[in-house]
Amino acid sequence: GEDVEQSLFLSVREGDSSVINCTYTDSSSTYLYWYKQEPGAGLQLLTYIFSNMDMKQDQRLTVLLNKKDKHLSLRIADTQTGDSAIYFCADPYRGTDKLIFGTGTRLQVFP
Amino acid sequence: DTEVTQTPKHLVMGMTNKKSLKCEQHMGHRAMYWYKQKAKKPPELMFVYSYEKLSINESVPSRFSPECPNSSLLNLHLHALQPEDSALYLCASSQDRAGTNTEAFFGQGTRLTVV
Repeated sequence: GEDVEQSLFLSVREGDSSVINCTYTDSSSTYLYWYKQEPGAGLQLLTYIFSNMDMKQDQRLTVLLNKKDKHLSLRIADTQTGDSAIYFCADPYRGTDKLIFGTGTRLQVFP
Repeated sequence: DTEVTQTPKHLVMGMTNKKSLKCEQHMGHRAMYWYKQKAKKPPELMFVYSYEKLSINESVPSRFSPECPNSSLLNLHLHALQPEDSALYLCASSQDRAGTNTEAFFGQGTRLTVV
């Protein structure tokens, strides 16, 4: 089956950049996604990248995709306390409707 | 309107009860999903409806019964649940089928506790 892995925890100082990493095994996906989940809440779609792109920038967010290494990253510039949450990467399993979520990275931002 | 609305937000039910979770979207999306999320874990897919037909059932026990009355509504009927079914149940919707951009929008979830 598909495996999507993330590091569990990241702690950064307010104003610094955060980089959250994700590795996946299914190379057939057309799109890859990043979601944010605040405590006790649902998931918020942050951004996505088409598989034929290497990079996508969306305001403070930069997504990098290395298809050869099956590695996806999310960079948050000027990280704020409101960015504290769990971040999930997600990969559609073999191009189906089934999203496989990564293990989630808890981002903690301290002043 | 990019909202997926779930009701109720919280639900406590006994193991002999029957209850239903509801989900609604008015974005014209034709795919709707139920996910289950246990504490400190990622969401796991339960069911997918596409054009009001069940397209994926991830071997979910029959005590969970999904229903899609129309393209805007998705229900999850619960009966004879176990305490280990306690979790956050998330509904999502997306515009189109897989292989295209399945940009899924999630509701805030129903926090279910089975006692």
